[in-house]
Amino acid sequence: EAQVTQNPRYLITVTGKKLTVTCSQNMNHEYMSWYRQDPGLGLRQIYYSMNVEVTDKGDVPEGYKVSRKEKRNFPLILESPSPNQTSLYFCASSPTVGNYNSPLHFGNGTRLTVT
Amino acid sequence: GQQLNQSPQSMFIQEGEDVSMNCTSSSIFNTWLWYKQDPGEGPVLLIALYKAGELTSNGRLTAQFGITRKDSFLNISASIPSDVGIYFCAEQISQGGSEKLVFGKGTKLTVNP
Repeated sequence: EAQVTQNPRYLITVTGKKLTVTCSQNMNHEYMSWYRQDPGLGLRQIYYSMNVEVTDKGDVPEGYKVSRKEKRNFPLILESPSPNQTSLYFCASSPTVGNYNSPLHFGNGTRLTVT
Repeated sequence: GQQLNQSPQSMFIQEGEDVSMNCTSSSIFNTWLWYKQDPGEGPVLLIALYKAGELTSNGRLTAQFGITRKDSFLNISASIPSDVGIYFCAEQISQGGSEKLVFGKGTKLTVNP
């Protein structure tokens, strides 16, 4: 089944403790992206990647890192999490953006709480 | 940067009623996308619009790309309980060889049986 898989679904951590949220897609998509969703603010892009070893900042990259060493995986890294990073995170992928038949496929989300 | 203004923020309707929501932009768009997010899940693409004036339907959903290229609306006819969720408009932006999506803040729809 074609899908975007995020892990974990739920994570509670403490300030400053490094964490990684994994994202994997099995559709051989070139484009992958991370979003955070906050009440009243909608979905905001954190980082995106057009292909392997190519990553770019989105609208809210501060406090986050990503890597794209292989096409299927795009982990989101929080080196020193802070409470303002408590949010619902979504990973998404598509063959390429800007293609009629290339909708973004979203994972089911990771709810992160930083205390 | 690009700004998407989506309204209304929330809607409470009775089953069977029609629904309309819209998005406006501060600048000209080349695409409009409408997504729906069911509770506890990621957003799913409903309709994609690529030409000014384009009117596209997907079942009970109809969306239009405004002539000015600065707005779009989404209509849902004869709403049913499973229409509950958050609806997002989104724009594809191409900049310097890279592309990304920018989302509106969403319209939360509640349908009372």
